[in-house]
Amino acid sequence: DQQVKQNSPSLSVQEGRISILNCDYTNSMFDYFLWYKKYPAEGPTFLISISSIKDKNEDGRFTVFLNKSAKHLSLHIVPSQPGDSAVYFCAARARYNQGGKLIFGQGTELSVKP
Amino acid sequence: GAGVSQSPSNKVTEKGKDVELRCDPISGHTALYWYRQSLGQGLEFLIYFQGNSAPDKSGLPSDRFSAERTGGSVSTLTIQRTQQEDSAVYLCASSLGMSGGDTQYFGPGTRLTVL
Repeated sequence: DQQVKQNSPSLSVQEGRISILNCDYTNSMFDYFLWYKKYPAEGPTFLISISSIKDKNEDGRFTVFLNKSAKHLSLHIVPSQPGDSAVYFCAARARYNQGGKLIFGQGTELSVKP
Repeated sequence: GAGVSQSPSNKVTEKGKDVELRCDPISGHTALYWYRQSLGQGLEFLIYFQGNSAPDKSGLPSDRFSAERTGGSVSTLTIQRTQQEDSAVYLCASSLGMSGGDTQYFGPGTRLTVL
């Protein structure tokens, strides 16, 4: 059972425009959500996170929105840059799992065209 | 400072052989995690160590998989009698400690190919 789903395997965006990456989850016990970015042959790097007590968190060009009723979160990148081209993973942690084990989505490959 | 390191970066083995994958976490990080990423899939949790507590092994796919963490630092993931479906990138991560909000820092991974 896929508890965290990223239904778009790929996304192509023009430089300067907004990139919107989506993520859906099924487990209502998830209380903390993260986005990681991964370049080829490298490990994922942390990008931004959000707690379930918030509905928005912003860090520079990156904003994560959380809609708990819809069990949906999204990552907005504005403006998109060619260096943003990478695979983006959504991840979630359950509140009963204080150990921090993360459940990941399948990833969305973002391509930002110059 | 140094990040999480893993070795080897690539490992090709024959079906039925045993393999050992190594992870050196960031110094001072008490939590260590192993994940794997199969082709076209997301990261799948395998095992988690926190200090001297018993590890959370709930993600290990079979009893052919085991891991240990010596001295609270270096960890080794062992796969016995490898199968072709074990082919994946094995990723190690570490974080500061018990707080679930701690950021997990990932190593570059070990790409395992089982022929």
